[in-house]
Amino acid sequence: AQSVTQLGSHVSVSEGALVLLRCNYSSSVPPYLFWYVQYPNQGLQLLLKYTTGATLVKGINGFEAEFKKSETSFHLTKPSAHMSDAAEYFCAVRPSGSARQLTFGSGTQLTVLP
Amino acid sequence: KAGVTQTPRYLIKTRGQQVTLSCSPISGHRSVSWYQQTPGQGLQFLFEYFSETQRNKGNFPGRFSGRQFSNSRSEMNVSTLELGDSALYLCASSPQAGEIAEQYFGPGTRLTVT
Repeated sequence: AQSVTQLGSHVSVSEGALVLLRCNYSSSVPPYLFWYVQYPNQGLQLLLKYTTGATLVKGINGFEAEFKKSETSFHLTKPSAHMSDAAEYFCAVRPSGSARQLTFGSGTQLTVLP
Repeated sequence: KAGVTQTPRYLIKTRGQQVTLSCSPISGHRSVSWYQQTPGQGLQFLFEYFSETQRNKGNFPGRFSGRQFSNSRSEMNVSTLELGDSALYLCASSPQAGEIAEQYFGPGTRLTVT
C-alpha cells in the first residue's frame, strides 16, 4: 500500500523567505507524485506533478519540487514567499497505471508573515 | 472550458436521513472520482467511475454509493447519515486518455449532519 507523510502540519515563513514543505512517500514501485494547494472554502488546485523523466519539476506560481528516489521524498519549494501563498498544501501519490485514486498526505498549513 | 461543478455547495441534514450529491465533470472528461475531506481523517478516496462503471473503491461502508450517467455526470449517495459523515465532499474529473492525466477538482459540497 502507498502512503504519504508530510512533516509539519503548520509552517510559518516571512514574506520573501524560502518556502520548504516536506513530503515523503512509501511505495513499492515509483509512483506518480503531486502537490495540490487548497484555499479556504475551495477545492484542490494542482501545483505540479512528477510522472517520469526530469526529477526537478516546475509548477505554477513559482513552485517547484524535486523527486529523490533514494530518499523517497518530493519536497515542495518556492524561493520567495508571497502573502497570497498562504493556504493548505497537500502532497499526493498515485500508483502507475490507469487507476486515478490519489492517496493524500495530511496537509501542511502555510502561513506567510508580513 | 467550464470547470468541475458540484451541487449543492452546502447541505444540512439530520442523522438517519439520506443525501445525494451531484458532480458535473469538465466537458469531455469521462473519469470522475470522489473524495471525503474531514479535519480528523484528511482526504480519503471514496470511489472512481469511468464510462458508467465503478473502477475503484475506497474503504468506506456500503452506506456510501455512487453512479455515473452516460453524459459522465456523477452522483454519490449516503444513506442513514451519521454525525461522522459531516465533511467536505470533493469530486474530481480526469480525461479519458493518458495514464498520467491529472485530476481537476471541483469546489466541493459541504455536508453538515446534525
